[in-house]
Amino acid sequence: QQQVKQSPQSLIVQKGGISIINCAYENTAFDYFPWYQQFPGKGPALLIAIRPDVSEKKEGRFTISFNKSAKQFSLHIMDSQPGDSATYFCAATLSNDYKLSFGAGTTVTVRA
Amino acid sequence: DTEVTQTPKHLVMGMTNKKSLKCEQHMGHRAMYWYKQKAKKPPELMFVYSYEKLSINESVPSRFSPECPNSSLLNLHLHALQPEDSALYLCASSVRTGNSPLHFGNGTRLTVT
Repeated sequence: QQQVKQSPQSLIVQKGGISIINCAYENTAFDYFPWYQQFPGKGPALLIAIRPDVSEKKEGRFTISFNKSAKQFSLHIMDSQPGDSATYFCAATLSNDYKLSFGAGTTVTVRA
Repeated sequence: DTEVTQTPKHLVMGMTNKKSLKCEQHMGHRAMYWYKQKAKKPPELMFVYSYEKLSINESVPSRFSPECPNSSLLNLHLHALQPEDSALYLCASSVRTGNSPLHFGNGTRLTVT
């Protein structure tokens, strides 16, 4: 059973545009929601994370929006750059749990 | 550069070979993990070590054998693998298990022939 559903599978955006990736989760007990960025040939790297007591978190051009009642969270990449071209994974987990439930991933391509 | 170092970067092995993957971190993290990642898929958890003790085995076949010699090192011993085991093997660490951020290495690209 997939606990975190991620969409779209892929997206193409022009340089300077906004990339939006959406995730929905099932388990209302989840309380930590990280996003990982993975470039080809590299391991995933933590990009930004949010906890459910916050509705929005911004770090530079990256913003997470969190809607607890809808059990959804999303990543917005503002002013997208070619260097942002990567695969993005959302994830969720419980406090004191060992396991991250990953979404299926979104491949973002930013065209110059 | 990642603070979790994995060697080798690439490995090709036959189905009768025995090989080992190595992982090292010097961040003082007490939780270390092995993940397997197939192309265009998210990482799948294999093993979790907490304070050098194996705490989780996600029903991984016995042809994969983890080892944690000390708090900085993690090995994955491979024996009699199958072609379908070809994947990117990722090591990760965190301050502790639970919702502390995972730091991944860049992985070992394994091909089983």
